[in-house]
Amino acid sequence: AQSVTQLGSHVSVSEGALVLLRCNYSSSVPPYLFWYVQYPNQGLQLLLKYTTGATLVKGINGFEAEFKKSETSFHLTKPSAHMSDAAEYFCAVSELTGGGNKLTFGTGTQLKVEL
Amino acid sequence: DAGVIQSPRHEVTEMGQEVTLRCKPISGHNSLFWYRQTMMRGLELLIYFNNNVPIDDSGMPEDRFSAKMPNASFSTLKIQPSEPRDSAVYFCASSSWGRDITGELFFGEGSRLTVL
Repeated sequence: AQSVTQLGSHVSVSEGALVLLRCNYSSSVPPYLFWYVQYPNQGLQLLLKYTTGATLVKGINGFEAEFKKSETSFHLTKPSAHMSDAAEYFCAVSELTGGGNKLTFGTGTQLKVEL
Repeated sequence: DAGVIQSPRHEVTEMGQEVTLRCKPISGHNSLFWYRQTMMRGLELLIYFNNNVPIDDSGMPEDRFSAKMPNASFSTLKIQPSEPRDSAVYFCASSSWGRDITGELFFGEGSRLTVL
């Protein structure tokens, strides 16, 4: 079964600094990988996803992630943090089952952006 | 286009009462998922349906929990009787299994349940 590990349950950065949120996965087949963001009192929204092809994936709000098969990683980055980026971020891997696809989520990383 | 719609957004009830949470998936989506989110346990998959049929309910914590999907546009999650430890945010999500091979999920805003 697939699994996802997010290193660091809480990350704090200064406004304007680089954001790096780490995600490692395990999968026996080429994976589909996702990053979702959750703002307070809201549902999860898709930031970006990796399917096939280009390993650098660009998402909304200036975020991007790079799929590195050799490292089984899919880290999320943003060059310059903004106060509005403060939220919880979830990495997920898609698992194909006999009854369809289901996503396995990591435990989440809470991003705090300080002035 | 309307997204996944959940109701109620907030529910406060007393221990022992029955709770019913409702979900309307995105039109045309044929997979529906119920998740529970708590501080202690994070995001847990409770059950999911494909074409209105329950596929995997191994995440349903106890027999007090039940879920139905009588048609393609409606699902319910019922807790009877409710207990304080059921307090959580319950999310419904849908996807287009078959047309989208990635399994991308579209989430509702969630139903925040508080059991006193």
